Amino acid sequence: KNEVEQSPQNLTAQEGEFITINCSYSVGISALHWLQQHPGGGIVSLFMLSSGKKKHGRLIATINIQEKHSSLHITASHPRDSAVYICAPTQGGSEKLVFGKGTKLTVNP
Amino acid sequence: SQTIHQWPATLVQPVGSPLSLECTVEGTSNPNLYWYRQAAGRGLQLLFYSVGIGQISSEVPQNLSASRPQDRQFILSSKKLLLSDSGFYLCAWSKGAGADTQYFGPGTRLTVL
Repeated sequence: KNEVEQSPQNLTAQEGEFITINCSYSVGISALHWLQQHPGGGIVSLFMLSSGKKKHGRLIATINIQEKHSSLHITASHPRDSAVYICAPTQGGSEKLVFGKGTKLTVNP
Repeated sequence: SQTIHQWPATLVQPVGSPLSLECTVEGTSNPNLYWYRQAAGRGLQLLFYSVGIGQISSEVPQNLSASRPQDRQFILSSKKLLLSDSGFYLCAWSKGAGADTQYFGPGTRLTVL
């Protein structure tokens, strides 16, 4: 069993839809990162959170430490949101990220 | 502001040839540095990380090595490339120990033929 499971693996949406990507993990963590990988390969860190909820623009990330689950939400999705979204918990007390396989999001106009 | 550079951007190398990928960070001091690889169709994998000059931790046994000759320079090397070394190599940095936001470089796409 993978330490980090993301769902869905692929997601296609129409512009304006509300998007949810889920991440479940089995490792003990100190924080969890959400990353965005653009088609060219570049990676941007979207959030790092260890509890509760964070919001940045149209993006919202939540985490439930007890349930070992995190979600990334995108409100009013746009074609430019098309990318692979990667969940990456940080193993407790270390700098090491454990990566999910990513969710490929395609937003059609 | 901080920036991270990687070069080259793309590289095509024959099997058995050596490899040297370079990563440099500007605008910060004593960063934690990381090398990741993303093989085709697979997730990211941590290869090496460094918390200081000359301090390298290896996560995956393989024919790759890493060095940190200067505070803000991180080099990934191989003496003899294998076909399985093909992939997208990303360097990243973070400010300190423990969980912290990691900032990724633009990556190097390596194809071994």
